[in-house]
Amino acid sequence: KQEVTQIPAALSVPEGENLVLNCSFTDSAIYNLQWFRQDPGKGLTSLLLIQSSQREQTSGRLNASLDKSSGRSTLYIAASQPGDSATYLCAVSGGSYIPTFGRGTSLIVHP
Amino acid sequence: DVKVTQSSRYLVKRTGEKVFLECVQDMDHENMFWYRQDPGLGLRLIYFSYDVKMKEKGDIPEGYSVSREKKERFSLILESASTNQTSMYLCASSPRGRETQYFGPGTRLLVL
Repeated sequence: KQEVTQIPAALSVPEGENLVLNCSFTDSAIYNLQWFRQDPGKGLTSLLLIQSSQREQTSGRLNASLDKSSGRSTLYIAASQPGDSATYLCAVSGGSYIPTFGRGTSLIVHP
Repeated sequence: DVKVTQSSRYLVKRTGEKVFLECVQDMDHENMFWYRQDPGLGLRLIYFSYDVKMKEKGDIPEGYSVSREKKERFSLILESASTNQTSMYLCASSPRGRETQYFGPGTRLLVL
């Protein structure tokens, strides 16, 4: 059964820092990997989707990479801002169309 | 833009009541999902549906049922609400295949 782990569970950084969030998964036979953002008390918003054949995806200050063979993905956030404060979740889809979610990294960017 | 809406943002119910949570999506997606999210436990799948009138149990279906009579609407039913069903409930939809999931805003349910 696929297991997804996100480290660290929580992170607090000063504004302007570049930071990396980590996601690891146990079964490398994946179809895609997705990063989501969740604001407190809200639903999830998709940030980036990486297909298994891709190595990375970029959107603005966000860059997600995928190393399928080692079972790892990273989400890089450049020049962090207080508005980036949220929980970030990764989800991996494999043989079924039901993704497996990690428990998330709670990020606080303080001014 | 894909839109997934949920009938209520906040709901307070009494133990033993029958509770209906409604989810509607406007993008003709085949797949729809119901999750609950609790601190420390993450997202857990309750039920999903890959077509009208089709449903499959997720990881924690006990105490819940679902209904999908129309493609755009997926309902979660708590037959007899209990306090341990106090949670955040999230609905999601996706097109056929393993593509992006789109989430609704969530319903925070409190069972007293």
